[in-house]
Amino acid sequence: AQSVAQPEDQVNVAEGNPLTVKCTYSVSGNPYLFWYVQYPNRGLQFLLKYITGDNLVKGSYGFEAEFNKSQTSFHLKKPSALVSDSALYFCAVRAQERSNDYKLSFGAGTTVTVRA
Amino acid sequence: EAGVTQSPTHLIKTRGQQATLRCSPISGHTSVYWYQQALGLGLQFLLWYDEGEERNRGNFPPRFSGRQFPNYSSELNVNALELEDSALYLCASSLLRVTETQYFGPGTRLLVL
Repeated sequence: AQSVAQPEDQVNVAEGNPLTVKCTYSVSGNPYLFWYVQYPNRGLQFLLKYITGDNLVKGSYGFEAEFNKSQTSFHLKKPSALVSDSALYFCAVRAQERSNDYKLSFGAGTTVTVRA
Repeated sequence: EAGVTQSPTHLIKTRGQQATLRCSPISGHTSVYWYQQALGLGLQFLLWYDEGEERNRGNFPPRFSGRQFPNYSSELNVNALELEDSALYLCASSLLRVTETQYFGPGTRLLVL
């Protein structure tokens, strides 16, 4: 079975401050990891993914994420948050070895609020 | 390039009725996935179609079904609607490659009264 935990329901930061959204995962074997963002009444927008290689992944809108295999984590980061980053963020995982099972397992989501 | 499109954007039904939701994938994508985002339950995988075949389904009753057409668009049908089926239904598409990203549509919000 594969699963994702996002331990914080909400993250509040001031504009210009660093933003971190936490994610830990559980999967058999090696993971593919994804971050998506959802704005109100919208679908999910892809931010970035980890497949293999460099543990630091850079994505859209200045976001990056660090894969840590020993801690089974994939935290999302942004050095300087903007008010427009306020949204719901989802971490997702699927197992690399299960090549016949492409479904993603999502965390419960973290609501990010960036105050001006 | 057009993204994943879904119709209708909103759907209101009464208990016991049937709902049909539609999805058009990104051009060139052959795989379509359906997810349910219900309040308090998060995002749950429903169905995966590729090349016209159902490849996998999540832990949902048989009254949730669908199909994929030769042009790779897809329909999700929900029969005998129940109040708890009220949710945002999201469709995603991808190329069928191991590392491929799923790209999501805007969703259909289904309300069952």
